[in-house]
Amino acid sequence: NAGVTQTPKFQVLKTGQSMTLQCAQDMNHEYMSWYRQDPGMGLRLIHYSVGAGITDQGEVPNGYNVSRSTTEDFPLRLLSAAPSQTSVYFCASSYSMWGTNTGELFFGEGSRLTVL
Amino acid sequence: ELKVEQNPLFLSMQEGKNYTIYCNYSTTSDRLYWYRQDPGKSLESLFVLLSNGAVKQEGRLMASLDTKARLSTLHITAAVHDLSATYFCAVDMRFGAGTRLTVKP
Repeated sequence: NAGVTQTPKFQVLKTGQSMTLQCAQDMNHEYMSWYRQDPGMGLRLIHYSVGAGITDQGEVPNGYNVSRSTTEDFPLRLLSAAPSQTSVYFCASSYSMWGTNTGELFFGEGSRLTVL
Repeated sequence: ELKVEQNPLFLSMQEGKNYTIYCNYSTTSDRLYWYRQDPGKSLESLFVLLSNGAVKQEGRLMASLDTKARLSTLHITAAVHDLSATYFCAVDMRFGAGTRLTVKP
């Protein structure tokens, strides 16, 4: 059971380059999200999706794009990388955030991005 | 805007001691989550608290939720080294800054 899979695990970019962080889950979860983790700041929500074709902004969306064409995949695109985007990125999923579902998040292993 | 605040942010304990981590939040919500993160690793779910007065226990950890006070506590009983990690609370997809717990022999 793979759970939430993120690729790549490590990436170094130069300022201005673009790239995509991949996230896939095999649990048929409706809800998927991207967080960044910086020292002393916990996890900050970048974008999230409540189902295929539906995405919304979180706390820190600037500089990032997302799409959700399938239930399984939720890629995060950096359009023009900046040193301020150096961080550890986590993808997380949940069956649903509302109703009778617990909303418990399942996390990927993380992607460490360095922008020079 | 929802704010989730944890304290303390850093906690150094001796083995065998008890302590409590606090999580305050600024919006009305009846759901709160606790996660654990080991250094260099991902986050794993510890507790899901789904209603006012909810209490969950797992080993030496016990979590509770008071929705009226907008407060959750994570109580550590007779700490052991294996509990050393960073603990996060989360409300409505928002996380606190985390409490880095170090348990010393």
